[in-house]
Amino acid sequence: DQQVKQNSPSLSVQEGRISILNCDYTNSMFDYFLWYKKYPAEGPTFLISISSIKDKNEDGRFTVFLNKSAKHLSLHIVPSQPGDSAVYFCAASRSNYKLTFGKGTLLTVNP
Amino acid sequence: DTGVSQDPRHKITKRGQNVTFRCDPISEHNRLYWYRQTLGQGPEFLTYFQNEAQLEKSRLLSDRFSAERPKGSFSTLEIQRTEQGDSAMYLCASSWRTSSAYEQYFGPGTRLTVT
Repeated sequence: DQQVKQNSPSLSVQEGRISILNCDYTNSMFDYFLWYKKYPAEGPTFLISISSIKDKNEDGRFTVFLNKSAKHLSLHIVPSQPGDSAVYFCAASRSNYKLTFGKGTLLTVNP
Repeated sequence: DTGVSQDPRHKITKRGQNVTFRCDPISEHNRLYWYRQTLGQGPEFLTYFQNEAQLEKSRLLSDRFSAERPKGSFSTLEIQRTEQGDSAMYLCASSWRTSSAYEQYFGPGTRLTVT
């Protein structure tokens, strides 16, 4: 069973606009959520995270929102840049050990 | 560069052969994880170490797989009698055991192709 779901395999946006990537989870025991970015032939790179006691975390152009009642989180990238084009993975953790990943969303930012 | 490193980056082997991969974590991190990623999927947890102790193994880790972390530093992942289904990217990650930050930092991965 897929405990972390990214239902959009791909997303295309124009440079300068907002990119919104979505993630849903089913396990209410998850207490920490992370977003990773991955380029081909490289390992995932950590982007931003959020604890379940918060509903928002910002880091520069990246903001993650958490809606615990809906078991939903989203990553906003504003403004989007062509260099943001990559696969984005949502991941969740329980009690600080293994990560459970979604299948990823391919973001393409067009110049 | 003080990031996670993995060696080799690519490995092509014939079915039935044994392979071994190495991971060097970020030096101050005491937790080390192995994940496997296949096409179209996110990374899947295989096993993890806290210092030299292997604390959990996934059901994905069959008896042909073994991992070690002697002295709590680098780690090795060995696959015996490789099968075509073992073809995947093998990722290593490390983290610091704190109560407030769960971030794991990944290496570049080892791409295994079993022919």
